Amino acid sequence: GAVVSQHPSRVICKSGTSVKIECRSLDFQATTMFWYRQFPKQSLMLMATSNEGSKATYEQGVEKDKFLINHASLTLSTLTVTSAHPEDSSFYICSAPGPSEKQFFGPGTRLTVL
Amino acid sequence: RKEVEQDPGPFNVPEGATVAFNCTYSNSASQSFFWYRQDCRKEPKLLMSVYSSGNEDGRFTAQLNRASQYISLLIRDSKLSDSATYLCVVTLNSGNTPLVFGKGTRLSVIA
Repeated sequence: GAVVSQHPSRVICKSGTSVKIECRSLDFQATTMFWYRQFPKQSLMLMATSNEGSKATYEQGVEKDKFLINHASLTLSTLTVTSAHPEDSSFYICSAPGPSEKQFFGPGTRLTVL
Repeated sequence: RKEVEQDPGPFNVPEGATVAFNCTYSNSASQSFFWYRQDCRKEPKLLMSVYSSGNEDGRFTAQLNRASQYISLLIRDSKLSDSATYLCVVTLNSGNTPLVFGKGTRLSVIA
């Protein structure tokens, strides 16, 4: 089946630093990728839709200047959390629509901001 | 009102029990429906799609009632390995539109 990788799987950083998360479709092309965030005991919430070759679309309440998204190629989207703060600590997951109209999830990135 | 609502549980059941989860969704334009399973600190994994005609996959049966915007999942003969959080998921289109997740229902199967 189609595979989506995500790196890093876990990151711990100091408050004020920036963290980049990569999402790659390994064996298919994805013009669109989705970024979700999940706080403890909460549902996955869509943050933004990443579009190859154009600007990302952000959900209401998600700051585009804080969560920078770059969809550089048909297989790679990156999410950069700029000037991270403890309240940004969460589980970040990407997904990409793949074969058979299914969506394929990356394994997620657990971010802890101290 | 949340877009997808689920009873958070937890449901604690003995091995071999039958357990049912329910879910309601608010957007009547939703076209595709799924149950996902999520283990602790892992990404969600597709368990099964849900169709109006009802569908079964081994011990799992899913049902959709579009009129009442209600989705169900039945697990028969529960195994210890079924312990997880079950996420009810809807989307406007199964292809390129994002998924809308419920908070999930936690299931613990006890020996």
